[in-house]
Amino acid sequence: AQSVSQHNHHVILSEAASLELGCNYSYGGTVNLFWYVQYPGQHLQLLLKYFSGDPLVKGIKGFEAEFIKSKFSFNLRKPSVQWSDTAEYFCAEISGGYNKLIFGAGTRLAVHP
Amino acid sequence: ETGVTQSPTHLIKTRGQQVTLRCSSQSGHNTVSWYQQALGQGPQFIFQYYREEENGRGNFPPRFSGLQFPNYSSELNVNALELDDSALYLCASSSSRTRGNEQFFGPGTRLTVL
Repeated sequence: AQSVSQHNHHVILSEAASLELGCNYSYGGTVNLFWYVQYPGQHLQLLLKYFSGDPLVKGIKGFEAEFIKSKFSFNLRKPSVQWSDTAEYFCAEISGGYNKLIFGAGTRLAVHP
Repeated sequence: ETGVTQSPTHLIKTRGQQVTLRCSSQSGHNTVSWYQQALGQGPQFIFQYYREEENGRGNFPPRFSGLQFPNYSSELNVNALELDDSALYLCASSSSRTRGNEQFFGPGTRLTVL
């Protein structure tokens, strides 16, 4: 069965630190990969997505992710985090069949001023 | 453009009861998916509706059922509630005409089963 693994469940950083959140997906066919963010008290929002082309994808709010096919990875990065980045981050992929999203367990990020 | 809306925001039920959750899809979207997000976990796919028919189902028992209406809004019904059904229920809408069917999420309904 398809699965998405996120390596870090909780991450604590100081402002201006660099961020990298790991994500590994399992589906070996056509990939449709996403990073979603859930700010406290808000709904899931799309940060970025990858379907094909340039493996380095830029999203909103200075986030980017790199698709590495050989490693089945799609890690999320940000060079310098802000307090407002405190949120839960979910990596997801589309199932090979109908368009259901398979989510990882999420990474809770806390950024201290 | 109106986003995805869900009602109610919060709900408390007791074991064995039935519940109906509602979702209005984003303007222009014809597909609705429902997800269950238990505390500390990622959302789990329940089912998807397209053209008023179930278009795929996750690993949930038949007591989880749904409907989609001609205006693309949708309902999630859960019968014989169990304690483990306590979760945030998310609705997401998308368009079959958009590559990758990017899904837009509503704020969710927090269901507590006592």
